Amino acid sequence: NAGVTQTPKFQVLKTGQSMTLQCAQDMNHEYMSWYRQDPGMGLRLIHYSVGAGITDQGEVPNGYNVSRSTTEDFPLRLLSAAPSQTSVYFCASNPLASYEQYFGPGTRLTVT
Amino acid sequence: GNSVTQMEGPVTLSEEAFLTINCTYTATGYPSLFWYVQYPGEGLQLLLKATKADDKGSNKGFEATYRKETTSFHLEKGSVQVSDSAVYFCALSVTNYGQNFVFGPGTRLSVLP
Repeated sequence: NAGVTQTPKFQVLKTGQSMTLQCAQDMNHEYMSWYRQDPGMGLRLIHYSVGAGITDQGEVPNGYNVSRSTTEDFPLRLLSAAPSQTSVYFCASNPLASYEQYFGPGTRLTVT
Repeated sequence: GNSVTQMEGPVTLSEEAFLTINCTYTATGYPSLFWYVQYPGEGLQLLLKATKADDKGSNKGFEATYRKETTSFHLEKGSVQVSDSAVYFCALSVTNYGQNFVFGPGTRLSVLP
């Protein structure tokens, strides 16, 4: 059981570039979410999904897109990277009827 | 809105010392409360939870009691170890299925031998 996996682990982008952060889970969880972690601010919710084909915005969605074509995968797209998007990004999943979120190991993104 | 406040630290303790990390919350509705732990280079892991007033969550020697009257969920451990060095996050959720968590800023704990 791999749990929640994220790729890449580290990424450096130039301002204006685009990229996709990958997230996959093998636990058949309905709910998946993306957070960003910044110093002194805890985790902030970017986007979430309650099932395939259903996504919604969280607290800080601007500059990010998501899609959920399968239960397993929930990629996060940065359309035009900005230095303000320098952060550590975490993907998480949980069954809809459970409080326990399972987190991936994170992606450290630097935008120069 | 919903929010979580916790002492930001860093907190530095000697091994076997007593630990308290304070957490207070503001919520509309009746939240469930959580403590998550993040070890260096890893994602967050659920440490303990409480879903109603006066519930006590416990795990690995850590405890926290849901105090509705003081809107608090303080984390305690009687004797910390070097291996407890990590960042601790207090969090809440007000939805039925624990979605849309609100996290505190995290408290970094360093335990010295």
